[in-house]
Amino acid sequence: QVQLVQSGTEVKKPGASVRVSCRASGYTFSDYAISWVRQAPGQGLEWMGWISGDTGKTDFVQKLQGRVSVATDTSTGTAYMELRNLRSDDTAVYYCARGSIVASFGAFDIWGQGTMVTVSS
Amino acid sequence: QSVLTQPPSASGTPGQRVTISCSGSSSNIGSNTVNWYQHLPGTAPKLLIYNNNQRPSGFPDRFSGYKSGTSASLAISGLQSEDEADYYCSAWDDSLNGWVFGGGTKLTVL
Repeated sequence: QVQLVQSGTEVKKPGASVRVSCRASGYTFSDYAISWVRQAPGQGLEWMGWISGDTGKTDFVQKLQGRVSVATDTSTGTAYMELRNLRSDDTAVYYCARGSIVASFGAFDIWGQGTMVTVSS
Repeated sequence: QSVLTQPPSASGTPGQRVTISCSGSSSNIGSNTVNWYQHLPGTAPKLLIYNNNQRPSGFPDRFSGYKSGTSASLAISGLQSEDEADYYCSAWDDSLNGWVFGGGTKLTVL
């Protein structure tokens, strides 16, 4: 069964960092990329960036550059997203999603269950 | 402000046909394929339509996608209560060098 399983709910204070994991199973991890998508309360979906499962190449939306990093552990088929210097408007459900190894192609066909990150003092 | 523009809401009665529009530009829909996602609150989004008009296994042919120029649309025929969800269009944007989504359309089955 192809699936992505994410880590659990996080509550952080402003200025802190959060790391969310996304463990893949049921497919060859290096054949695909992992994108990160978030949804703030009452808002729509926002693509944050992606990492290639084979080369480790990454790219992020401009507004998050400098605060976000993603990495993979190919031995366990796990992707990690770290967001630093958290602000209240980072409060959102964070999803990982499987995509094409070519970032601009394909679609997000498998999604993780989501990780709620709450930033509050 | 989303890069792709969708109506915030749509509605229909059981059995009706509804369409949801998605408007973009030459850098996204105009030059790349469109995907649609179905999102029920509290669950993970699901891929509904990919490559403009292809359906993954698991979704019936009541769902169909269209693209023309810089716009796309999702049609749902034979509306059912379980179709009540949020629907998002998405495409790669060559100018932003990233994926963009519409703001989402909340479909209500009356």
